[in-house]
Amino acid sequence: NAGVTQTPKFQVLKTGQSMTLQCAQDMNHNSMYWYRQDPGMGLRLIYYSASEGTTDKGEVPNGYNVSRLNKREFSLRLESAAPSQTSVYFCASTEGAGISGANVLTFGAGSRLTVL
Amino acid sequence: GQQVMQIPQYQHVQEGEDFTTYCNSSTTLSNIQWYKQRPGGHPVFLIQLVKSGEVKKQKRLTFQFGEAKKNSSLHITATQTTDVGTYFCAFRTGNQFYFGTGTSLTVIP
Repeated sequence: NAGVTQTPKFQVLKTGQSMTLQCAQDMNHNSMYWYRQDPGMGLRLIYYSASEGTTDKGEVPNGYNVSRLNKREFSLRLESAAPSQTSVYFCASTEGAGISGANVLTFGAGSRLTVL
Repeated sequence: GQQVMQIPQYQHVQEGEDFTTYCNSSTTLSNIQWYKQRPGGHPVFLIQLVKSGEVKKQKRLTFQFGEAKKNSSLHITATQTTDVGTYFCAFRTGNQFYFGTGTSLTVIP
């Protein structure tokens, strides 16, 4: 049981390049999330998808786009990378609001992105 | 926007000493969650509190939710080197989860 799988684990980009971070979960969760983690700033929500077919902006969406490809997969795209997007990116998932249970986040291992 | 402040940002303790991190919100929260992130790892869920004044224990860890549901604390008794990491509080509102800035704990053997 893999849980939440993110690829790639590491990536170095030049300013202006584009790339897509992939995320897949095998827990049949409805909701999926992308966070970025920077020193001293905790985890900040970029985008989320409450259910298949929907996406919404979080706290820091500028410079990013997302696609909920199906129930399992949620990708994050940087169209024109900037040095300010150097960060560790985490994908997470949960059953979803209104679903019985603790409704807690399960995180992937993270993707470390450096933009030069 | 919605946010929770977490203090301290860093804490160094001698092994065996106690440790406490605090999470404060300007608004009433319906729930508070705590996560632990080991160095180089990803956040892992520890516990959720939902009731005013609730106290829960996990071995040496004690979690509290304030009476007004605006603050929470995590207390570790007699720290061990395995407690090293960053502890985050978080709360859920609708489908969104917001995190505090975290407290990084270093335990000196």
